[in-house]
Amino acid sequence: KQEVTQIPAALSVPEGENLVLNCSFTDSAIYNLQWFRQDPGKGLTSLLLIQSSQREQTSGRLNASLDKSSGRSTLYIAASQPGDSATYLCAVRPHSSNDYKLSFGAGTTVTVRA
Amino acid sequence: NAGVTQTPKFRVLKTGQSMTLLCAQDMNHEYMYWYRQDPGMGLRLIHYSVGEGTTAKGEVPDGYNVSRLKKQNFLLGLESAAPSQTSVYFCASSYGQGRRGYTFGSGTRLTVV
Repeated sequence: KQEVTQIPAALSVPEGENLVLNCSFTDSAIYNLQWFRQDPGKGLTSLLLIQSSQREQTSGRLNASLDKSSGRSTLYIAASQPGDSATYLCAVRPHSSNDYKLSFGAGTTVTVRA
Repeated sequence: NAGVTQTPKFRVLKTGQSMTLLCAQDMNHEYMYWYRQDPGMGLRLIHYSVGEGTTAKGEVPDGYNVSRLKKQNFLLGLESAAPSQTSVYFCASSYGQGRRGYTFGSGTRLTVV
């Protein structure tokens, strides 16, 4: 069974500091990994999708890396802003074409202090 | 460009009551999913559908039923609500088998008293 762990569970940084969020998974047989953002009481907003054949994906201030062999992904957020305060979730899709169950981490709750 | 829309957004039920959660997507996605999110448990798959007229059980299907009569709609039913079903419910959809990622709705917060 795939286990997805996100460390740290919570993070508080001053505005302007770079954020580093970690996601680890136990089964390296994945098809892709997706990072989401969740604001309190809201739904999940997709940030980045990395296919298993890719090493990284970038969107604006966000960069996500993937090391499938070691079971790790890292989300970098450059020059953090108070608006980046949210919970960040990573989710792994299994490699099997018949297994649609995403495995989610518990999330990292980020607070960016102005 | 609505994406995935869930109704209602909030609901309070008494134990034993029934209700249906509606999910609608306008992206022509074949695959649709229902997840529940609980503190400390993360998101868990309840049921999913790979196309109109098809449904399948996920990780935590007990106490729930689903129907996919139209491609754009996926309904989640609770026949006899229990306090253990107090949760936030998310609907998601994907193009194909999730190779292009998943799109989630904004959630339904359900409380069973």
